[in-house]
Amino acid sequence: NAGVTQTPKFRILKIGQSMTLQCTQDMNHNYMYWYRQDPGMGLKLIYYSVGAGITDKGEVPNGYNVSRSTTEDFPLRLELAAPSQTSVYFCASRLQGREHNEQFFGPGTRLTVL
Amino acid sequence: QQQVKQSPQSLIVQKGGISIINCAYENTAFDYFPWYQQFPGKGPALLIAIRPDVSEKKEGRFTISFNKSAKQFSLHIMDSQPGDSATYFCAASLRGGANNLFFGTGTRLTVIP
Repeated sequence: NAGVTQTPKFRILKIGQSMTLQCTQDMNHNYMYWYRQDPGMGLKLIYYSVGAGITDKGEVPNGYNVSRSTTEDFPLRLELAAPSQTSVYFCASRLQGREHNEQFFGPGTRLTVL
Repeated sequence: QQQVKQSPQSLIVQKGGISIINCAYENTAFDYFPWYQQFPGKGPALLIAIRPDVSEKKEGRFTISFNKSAKQFSLHIMDSQPGDSATYFCAASLRGGANNLFFGTGTRLTVIP
């Protein structure tokens, strides 16, 4: 198993551009998450999904959109990139159920908006 | 508003020493408290976790101490090694729903040889 994979690893955007961060998992996990990590702030949940076709907002959803058309993929879309979206983005997944709380994280995408 | 408060922000420990990182929370509906370890350039990985029905959990050199009445929990790393140098995050999740995690702000641990 490759686990959770994210592309790209790095990206520089200009203000106002848009892009999609890709996330794929091959563990057949129902739940998937997008976090952003800023220095000294920990990880903040952007969006999450409990299954294909079902998504919901986390703590910091403004400026982002998601979709979940398959179990494996959970792309994060940035529209009209702003400097405040400069961050490291992590995708995570886990199995459904109270006994399966462990989230498995991808390697991250480092995004800079100039 | 930070749901889980973590301290210290950074910690330097001699090899063989004990590293202690503390976290506090307010929401009594939290029922799962994991610690994640993150090395530079990598995603976080689960280290150890506890539920509030026990006061301590030990896995090798890593121990979580949990104080339900004080709403605090801590990570103890015994016999700290240079390979333990990483950033540690505590977190908490609510009962039910998608069990979303609320993370602390992280502690950068450096173990000096």
